[in-house]
Amino acid sequence: AQSVTQLDSHVSVSEGTPVLLRCNYSSSYSPSLFWYVQHPNKGLQLLLKYTSAATLVKGINGFEAEFKKSETSFHLTKPSAHMSDAAEYFCVVSDRSNDYKLSFGAGTTVTVRA
Amino acid sequence: NAGVTQTPKFRILKIGQSMTLQCTQDMNHNYMYWYRQDPGMGLKLIYYSVGAGITDKGEVPNGYNVSRSTTEDFPLRLELAAPSQTSVYFCASRTANQGEKLFFGSGTQLSVL
Repeated sequence: AQSVTQLDSHVSVSEGTPVLLRCNYSSSYSPSLFWYVQHPNKGLQLLLKYTSAATLVKGINGFEAEFKKSETSFHLTKPSAHMSDAAEYFCVVSDRSNDYKLSFGAGTTVTVRA
Repeated sequence: NAGVTQTPKFRILKIGQSMTLQCTQDMNHNYMYWYRQDPGMGLKLIYYSVGAGITDKGEVPNGYNVSRSTTEDFPLRLELAAPSQTSVYFCASRTANQGEKLFFGSGTQLSVL
């Protein structure tokens, strides 16, 4: 069965500094990996996805993630944090072992200091 | 185009009461899902449907029921509410050929006291 582990439950950064959200995955098959973002009192929104094409994936709002099979990682980064990036971020995996249903990580809460 | 609409946004139930969480989408999506979100636990799949008349259990179906009589609507029923069902519930939908891009409703915050 597939699963993801988000290594940080909370990340705090200053505005204008880089953001790094770490995610490790487990999958017996070729996985698809995603990052979703949830702003306060909102539903989740797809940020970016990896589906076996380019290993460096660019998403919305300046975020990108790199798929590293050797490290079973899919870390999310942004060069310069903005106040509007304050939200909860979920790493998600799917593969054929679970009929391609999504498995969510526990989430990482990002706060941005002015 | 409203997307995925959930009602109510907030609800407080007493133990043993029943209620239905409503979910409707206007994107003609075949696939619909119900998730619950507990603090520090991510989202857990309760039930899902791949089309009208077809439903199936997810990871945590106990205590819930669903129906899918139309493409648009996917209500979630709690028959005998328990404190363990205090959570935030999200409905989501997607097309058949974009498996990863779920469209989420804004959620229902339910407290069972």
